[in-house]
Amino acid sequence: KAGVTQTPRYLIKTRGQQVTLSCSPISGHRSVSWYQQTPGQGLQFLFEYFSETQRNKGNFPGRFSGRQFSNSRSEMNVSTLELGDSALYLCASSLWTSGETQYFGPGTRLLVL
Amino acid sequence: KNEVEQSPQNLTAQEGEFITINCSYSVGISALHWLQQHPGGGIVSLFMLSSGKKKHGRLIATINIQEKHSSLHITASHPRDSAVYICAVRPFSNTGNQFYFGTGTSLTVIP
Repeated sequence: KAGVTQTPRYLIKTRGQQVTLSCSPISGHRSVSWYQQTPGQGLQFLFEYFSETQRNKGNFPGRFSGRQFSNSRSEMNVSTLELGDSALYLCASSLWTSGETQYFGPGTRLLVL
Repeated sequence: KNEVEQSPQNLTAQEGEFITINCSYSVGISALHWLQQHPGGGIVSLFMLSSGKKKHGRLIATINIQEKHSSLHITASHPRDSAVYICAVRPFSNTGNQFYFGTGTSLTVIP
């Protein structure tokens, strides 16, 4: 099976812009989780989608949002970008939503100038 | 306060050495995962534990639920083991796949 794919891999934006990142899970996986990784804060949970519904949300402002489509592909959106949003954004997929093994994508590295 | 603490933060070892990375957590959990992240960002899930011990090749992971502690051991370390190792826990209070993460242990194995 193909692994988790994320597009784009690299992105440069300026403050105030918005960005949309895409994640395609492993075929058959219904749960997609998004994470932000920065040198200062490490890995932090953003949100999880399962069967097109947001199941959990981490402690991030409303500028961070996401959605999941019927084919389980997911997108996350960050509006009104701030310098502090510069990070590696990772998505991970799993079959269900019960804490089992997650399979991570390669990540999208976002730089906000 | 971070719910998950890892030690050491950085570790340098000679090839062939036995390595131990520790993870302590402060909440009741339903599962603990060990993750490996190589330079460039890719993360691989190594183990999922809810009790006892698991072994995969040269890697061994143990968990003590009563003491809220887990260890990751690498036997006969090799330069290709150089990576960041991250501990992640799924608290009982969280539904779904919401995890708390440790800050990671950066391992460098010198030939």
